[in-house]
Amino acid sequence: AQSVTQLGSHVSVSEGALVLLRCNYSSSVPPYLFWYVQYPNQGLQLLLKYTSAATLVKGINDFEAEFKKSETSFHLTKPSAHMSDAAEYFCAVTRAGNTPLVFGKGTRLSVIA
Amino acid sequence: DTAVSQTPKYLVTQMGNDKSIKCEQNLGHDTMYWYKQDSKKFLKIMFSYNNKELIINETVPNRFSPKSPDKAHLNLHINSLELGDSAVYFCASSQGLAGGEQYFGPGTRLTVT
Repeated sequence: AQSVTQLGSHVSVSEGALVLLRCNYSSSVPPYLFWYVQYPNQGLQLLLKYTSAATLVKGINDFEAEFKKSETSFHLTKPSAHMSDAAEYFCAVTRAGNTPLVFGKGTRLSVIA
Repeated sequence: DTAVSQTPKYLVTQMGNDKSIKCEQNLGHDTMYWYKQDSKKFLKIMFSYNNKELIINETVPNRFSPKSPDKAHLNLHINSLELGDSAVYFCASSQGLAGGEQYFGPGTRLTVT
């Protein structure tokens, strides 16, 4: 079975500081990995995805993530946090075939002025 | 243009009632999903339909019955509502079953009193 662990249910950074949200996955087959963002009272929006192409994936709003098979990680980063980045972030994993998207428990990002 | 829409956005009802949530997507996707997000923000797949055929049916009480009249619609009917059904329900769609980006609706917040 596939699973995702997001380290840290809450991360707080200063405006302009580096954002690092951690995600580790478990999968016995090559995974497809995703980061979604959820703003308050809204649905989820895809930030970026890894589907076995380049290991460094760039997404929207200057977010990027690197797939590291040896570490089973897919951490999300952004060089400089903005106030508008405050939201809930979800890492998710799936694989080829009729399998559901499995989400991590989410990390709430707070940005301090 | 709204890609994935859900109605209603809020639903407050009493225990024992029957209610429905509707979902429509105008993206031309062939796969639709229902997710439940609990009070701790944990997201879990409930159902998945591909070309109107039920593909994924996680361990959901049979009080929950999805119906897909066509590829663009996936409705969720809930019988005999219980307090534990209170959650935010998200509809999503994608092209294909795995690896494809899922587009989420804005969610329906169900409160059972």
